Amino acid sequence: GAVVSQHPSRVICKSGTSVKIECRSLDFQATTMFWYRQFPKQSLMLMATSNEGSKATYEQGVEKDKFLINHASLTLSTLTVTSAHPEDSSFYICSASEQNTEAFFGQGTRLTVV
Amino acid sequence: GNSVTQMEGPVTLSEEAFLTINCTYTATGYPSLFWYVQYPGEGLQLLLKATKADDKGSNKGFEATYRKETTSFHLEKGSVQVSDSAVYFCALDDPGYSSASKIIFGSGTRLSIRP
Repeated sequence: GAVVSQHPSRVICKSGTSVKIECRSLDFQATTMFWYRQFPKQSLMLMATSNEGSKATYEQGVEKDKFLINHASLTLSTLTVTSAHPEDSSFYICSASEQNTEAFFGQGTRLTVV
Repeated sequence: GNSVTQMEGPVTLSEEAFLTINCTYTATGYPSLFWYVQYPGEGLQLLLKATKADDKGSNKGFEATYRKETTSFHLEKGSVQVSDSAVYFCALDDPGYSSASKIIFGSGTRLSIRP
């Protein structure tokens, strides 16, 4: 299957700083990328959907000014958690899809804000 | 709206036991159905999928059949191994979504297998 690489896999940052997470499709053009977060022992909740070259569409309750998503190319989307706080500590995972085909998931990023 | 309901865990079984994890869905249209697996410390992996009614998805000894009449997609394995210990997510893709592959997940079922 297609490969989606997410980086970093783990990050620890201080409260108030910003963290950027990258999601890359390595062998296909990802016209659409999805960002999810997963709290401990809970399911994955969709945060936002990004289409290449367009502004991201955020799910209800997700602050777009806090979770900045950029999908500037067909192989890269980034999620920036701005002014992170301990409650933002979570597992963030992206998925990528090419033109109405199956979505492939990255390995996820565990963010810990201290 | 579209949703997925799966049995709550944790589920603990002995090695070589028979496994069933129940999953039912609510959807408009005709979604594809998936089972994803998340091993400890790792991301999601697609385990199996079925794209239309009566299809059976299978992989690594796991099976699930798309039952439109009961809106179910139960996961089964005849003989589990310790290495099957993981969290299993039932999911569907949103058939009403204008773009590709918005996946809606169930809450996940943690499976632990005792040697």
